[in-house]
Amino acid sequence: NAGVTQTPKFRVLKTGQSMTLLCAQDMNHEYMYWYRQDPGMGLRLIHYSVGEGTTAKGEVPDGYNVSRLKKQNFLLGLESAAPSQTSVYFCASSSGQPGEKLFFGSGTQLSVL
Amino acid sequence: ILNVEQSPQSLHVQEGDSTNFTCSFPSSNFYALHWYRWETAKSPEALFVMTLNGDEKKKGRISATLNTKEGYSYLYIKGSQPEDSATYLCASGDYKLSFGAGTTVTVRA
Repeated sequence: NAGVTQTPKFRVLKTGQSMTLLCAQDMNHEYMYWYRQDPGMGLRLIHYSVGEGTTAKGEVPDGYNVSRLKKQNFLLGLESAAPSQTSVYFCASSSGQPGEKLFFGSGTQLSVL
Repeated sequence: ILNVEQSPQSLHVQEGDSTNFTCSFPSSNFYALHWYRWETAKSPEALFVMTLNGDEKKKGRISATLNTKEGYSYLYIKGSQPEDSATYLCASGDYKLSFGAGTTVTVRA
């Protein structure tokens, strides 16, 4: 039972470098999300998708891009990393049905130097 | 984006004691209230999802209540054990959830 799988688990970038975080779910969920977690703050929504081929901006989308080419995968890209993007990133998925819970990945610890 | 607040930010409990903490959220246009348990180095895991005013949910020694008219939810831990040490997150919204900053519970043996 894999659930939601995120890769990589840890990454250190230099300012200006790019990278892609991969999220994969095997529960046939329509909805997928990318959140970031910073100390003293709640999970903040970066981008989300309500189905294959769709994406939408969340609360803090600047500096990030996403793609949902396949239903099971949701990619988060940082084109030019900045120190302000140092954070823990969580992917989540849900069926999108009313009252349904989110299933989270294990997180990616990203440091931008 | 909904303003979801949790209090206190952290608390310490003696093993065997009971405790509770609060989540407040906008009462207008309410859809659902979620509680998640987040242990260090693990993924947040759902405890409860509540949608109706007056809802009460229970899972073992942990329970939650919901008041949508006044916009708050309580999470209770009865007879705290060291394994209850975690950060408890609440979130409100429809398919886009707004999360509170969490209440970190430390249970001292």
